Amino acid sequence: DTAVSQTPKYLVTQMGNDKSIKCEQNLGHDTMYWYKQDSKKFLKIMFSYNNKELIINETVPNRFSPKSPDKAHLNLHINSLELGDSAVYFCASSQERRTGWTGELFFGEGSRLTVL
Amino acid sequence: DQQVKQNSPSLSVQEGRISILNCDYTNSMFDYFLWYKKYPAEGPTFLISISSIKDKNEDGRFTVFLNKSAKHLSLHIVPSQPGDSAVYFCAATTDKLIFGTGTRLQVFP
Repeated sequence: DTAVSQTPKYLVTQMGNDKSIKCEQNLGHDTMYWYKQDSKKFLKIMFSYNNKELIINETVPNRFSPKSPDKAHLNLHINSLELGDSAVYFCASSQERRTGWTGELFFGEGSRLTVL
Repeated sequence: DQQVKQNSPSLSVQEGRISILNCDYTNSMFDYFLWYKKYPAEGPTFLISISSIKDKNEDGRFTVFLNKSAKHLSLHIVPSQPGDSAVYFCAATTDKLIFGTGTRLQVFP
């Protein structure tokens, strides 16, 4: 039973299109994240939600909009896709980041987005 | 500005020997340091962590060393096994988890 699952695993689309990636976790965690791994393999945080509330929003274009319908789901919608959006997008979850949070995240398998 | 750096993109080690992966950081406010392991087509998985108030943490074959004065940490794997072949990411926390660029470890027989 997969702890953090993302769909789709692969996504190939044309520039200018709008696409979504869905993420679900069954670990009972309060906090969820989206990370982007670019062509240089650098894993960079994009967003974080805690109990459906946005708590981290890095310098990400407005074309990227996360949505958290409940604390077990965090979806990523991307408008007007550009070539530079091609990357692997990882969803992750963790326990609530209180004092003493050790940084352990549980990642999904990743969604490889290719923009042509 | 990359706060967590792994300067060696790859490392090749013979089975049974020690693997040493290195990581440097710039932010003295980090409170935890972690190592994650990643196989192809999978997400990173947590391996081991260390608090900024400690200098060593050991878990089986894996030991992490922290040198705060040098802003350096390392992961030692002893003995190395072929199944350890993966990409290893160093990471550090403040209010968020920041990753290095990874080191690809290959353990050969």
